Amino acid sequence: GEDVEQSLFLSVREGDSSVINCTYTDSSSTYLYWYKQEPGAGLQLLTYIFSNMDMKQDQRLTVLLNKKDKHLSLRIADTQTGDSAIYFCAESKNEAAGNKLTFGGGTRVLVKP
Amino acid sequence: EPEVTQTPSHQVTQMGQEVILRCVPISNHLYFYWYRQILGQKVEFLVSFYNNEISEKSEIFDDQFSVERPDGSNFTLKIRSTKLEDSAMYFCASSPRGLGETQYFGPGTRLLVL
Repeated sequence: GEDVEQSLFLSVREGDSSVINCTYTDSSSTYLYWYKQEPGAGLQLLTYIFSNMDMKQDQRLTVLLNKKDKHLSLRIADTQTGDSAIYFCAESKNEAAGNKLTFGGGTRVLVKP
Repeated sequence: EPEVTQTPSHQVTQMGQEVILRCVPISNHLYFYWYRQILGQKVEFLVSFYNNEISEKSEIFDDQFSVERPDGSNFTLKIRSTKLEDSAMYFCASSPRGLGETQYFGPGTRLLVL
């Protein structure tokens, strides 16, 4: 079955880069996503990458995908205090029914001033 | 910007009671989902819904759960007889189409079963 794993916690100093890592087991994963959850809020889509890509950049966010190792990372450049949140990676497959997301456990990022 | 809304934001109920969680998906979206997150655990898929029927459901989604789109805007999750272990944050999501489309999540309903 599908499994997605992330480290639990990351502490970073304001202005530095953050790198959040994720591994997944299902080689048929087609799309991989990063969601952000701030306290008391829902899941906000940050970015996603299709499995035939190995990199995607969107302003301060860079997603790297190593499909051979089933490893996904999210780099946040110039991390700000507003980036403190829980970050979830998720995968989905190109199936006819429903396109369910399988989530990792989330990485809590704490940005220190 | 259009967004998914959910009501109520918090619900407290007694074990054995029925609860209905409500969601208003983004208006031109066709696929709808429910997920839940038990405190300290992963976000788990419950069910997906398309064209007025369930397209996929997880093992969690047993006979105690049902979903409905009673009109053109609402999407509901009903739990018939709540158990203590149903306490969780329930997220609704919607997407324009199913395959490869981004799912947009609501803010969640925190359900506490006493």
